[in-house]
Amino acid sequence: DAGITQSPRHKVTETGTPVTLRCHQTENHRYMYWYRQDPGHGLRLIHYSYGVKDTDKGEVSDGYSVSRSKTEDFLLTLESATSSQTSVYFCAISEQGGLRQNIQYFGAGTRLSVL
Amino acid sequence: AQKVTQAQTEISVVEKEDVTLDCVYETRDTTYYLFWYKQPPSGELVFLIRRNSFDEQNEISGRYSWNFQKSTSSFNFTITASQVVDSAVYFCALSEATSGSRLTFGEGTQLTVNP
Repeated sequence: DAGITQSPRHKVTETGTPVTLRCHQTENHRYMYWYRQDPGHGLRLIHYSYGVKDTDKGEVSDGYSVSRSKTEDFLLTLESATSSQTSVYFCAISEQGGLRQNIQYFGAGTRLSVL
Repeated sequence: AQKVTQAQTEISVVEKEDVTLDCVYETRDTTYYLFWYKQPPSGELVFLIRRNSFDEQNEISGRYSWNFQKSTSSFNFTITASQVVDSAVYFCALSEATSGSRLTFGEGTQLTVNP
């Protein structure tokens, strides 16, 4: 199994509070991703990173920011949580080259509830 | 823009039946990758297969097989002699070579295998 750890695994917060989710990898992979999973939508990309301090937006990036100061850590921040951000959040990693290029491996997910 | 359609929202079969999960994709790129992931009730996402756009060979892995047809933009997944442990949500996904490894997922098919 790919060494990907998401924390926390569960979180309940109130509308308007800031929330940070952490993704930690031990695989030294270049690419990291944040997705959200909602019923009827599958998984949708929020932000991704292609290297330290190199990030870009996905299709549902509004209301989210990310940071990657080290290869192994990718942080997702909700600056002011809203109820529409209640979801399950998945982190993924992938290699740049090699036999497993483009294959994304996922963390266990973080279930976030915004009340 | 890339798009993945899994028209079957839910499928229910009896154990030992064969079942095919459909996946249709749209892309303007000539180089792309197709994937299937499994999400069992425990919630993690498990990588099953990657296929690139230049390789239309069908693939078989145990009870699983995949049929890739560029002419119909389809990448269907068949489970032979289904088992209760196959019960899960199955996602088809697409990555274009020009998109930096970002995945676009279908909405998923919930497969229930009854004993």
